Amino acid sequence: KNQVEQSPQSLIILEGKNCTLQCNYTVSPFSNLRWYKQDTGRGPVSLTIMTFSENTKSNGRYTATLDADTKQSSLHITASQLSDSASYICVVTGGYNKLIFGAGTRLAVHP
Amino acid sequence: DAGVIQSPRHEVTEMGQEVTLRCKPISGHDYLFWYRQTMMRGLELLIYFNNNVPIDDSGMPEDRFSAKMPNASFSTLKIQPSEPRDSAVYFCASSFGGVGDGYTFGSGTRLTVV
Repeated sequence: KNQVEQSPQSLIILEGKNCTLQCNYTVSPFSNLRWYKQDTGRGPVSLTIMTFSENTKSNGRYTATLDADTKQSSLHITASQLSDSASYICVVTGGYNKLIFGAGTRLAVHP
Repeated sequence: DAGVIQSPRHEVTEMGQEVTLRCKPISGHDYLFWYRQTMMRGLELLIYFNNNVPIDDSGMPEDRFSAKMPNASFSTLKIQPSEPRDSAVYFCASSFGGVGDGYTFGSGTRLTVV
């Protein structure tokens, strides 16, 4: 069964600290993996998109990694800011261009 | 570009009433997707269109839900009759060429059925 599992479910960190969010998937075939940031009351916004051959991709303070062999991805946030408080959703594109969504990690950055 | 535009942002309706959600995709995008998001189930794809033609509606929960795309710049999602369990945030997304880069979500419509 095609699944995307994210951990932790929620996370609280202090402003300025780093954090890493995890995504494991069992999607086959695999086309690409993307991370979205969803602020409260807004639609998801794409942070990164990675294909099978890409191991890492950065977008400012966000760095995503992909290990296609173990089917794992991570999103690392450096020097967190209050505005990073949001839900982060891992999405894998499988066969027939079908997007499979993770349940998300809810991140709260406290001053 | 203004992005994907959805209206209304919030909708509160009574059970049994008809509800129509609207979406304007990004100009030039040939794919349009409707999603529903709830705390329990996360984001679920309801239906998607390619060049205004419905391609996959297997996610539409039941016959009370219908979607149309009369032209490249407008789509509607209709629920008739609405039920309290339909309360959710409904997102529209559009893209060019499928689900590659450039896949963009709207800000959503928060529907509450009382």
